[in-house]
Amino acid sequence: DVKVTQSSRYLVKRTGEKVFLECVQDMDHENMFWYRQDPGLGLRLIYFSYDVKMKEKGDIPEGYSVSREKKERFSLILESASTNQTSMYLCASSLQDSNQPQHFGDGTRLSIL
Amino acid sequence: KQEVTQIPAALSVPEGENLVLNCSFTDSAIYNLQWFRQDPGKGLTSLLLIQSSQREQTSGRLNASLDKSSGRSTLYIAASQPGDSATYLCAVYSGGGADGLTFGKGTHLIIQP
Repeated sequence: DVKVTQSSRYLVKRTGEKVFLECVQDMDHENMFWYRQDPGLGLRLIYFSYDVKMKEKGDIPEGYSVSREKKERFSLILESASTNQTSMYLCASSLQDSNQPQHFGDGTRLSIL
Repeated sequence: KQEVTQIPAALSVPEGENLVLNCSFTDSAIYNLQWFRQDPGKGLTSLLLIQSSQREQTSGRLNASLDKSSGRSTLYIAASQPGDSATYLCAVYSGGGADGLTFGKGTHLIIQP
């Protein structure tokens, strides 16, 4: 079974802090994704990566950056956290084939105070 | 821009009933459509993926259909059980510049014992 592991289930940070959310997958997937999920807005794509050191902006990249130094790990970085970044963050991975499903981690619920 | 709509937003039915969840999308140029289940506070579990060339997929009591030309998909759940209570999300993969999934806002399903 595919396992996508997000390092924290719950995280509380303060405005202005630099925040790192980590995601690791164990199935040698080429593609990795970061989404955020908000009530009434659903899931929205922040960034994705289709290879090591490659990244592409999704629908809402403002205020975020990402890092993919190794194939299995994809990090989401909030450069200077703000209260409007309080959300549920979900990481996913998939094989390169566009007809393969995306597999999700359990999510990180991030609160910015 | 692709938009995905799920109807109804919420549904409550007695145990044992068969039920249908609906999903529609605005741009029929999709690679595939994926149905997910999300339990409260958790990540997403992939249920079924239908490729654009397929009409339906089945897994146990679940059957998903796809009518790409009309921009519609249905998820049929047979003989519903209380353990089926969850939020069901429909997502389409359209490829292109932003290679993530476009999600609907989900149907919150409650199966009454």
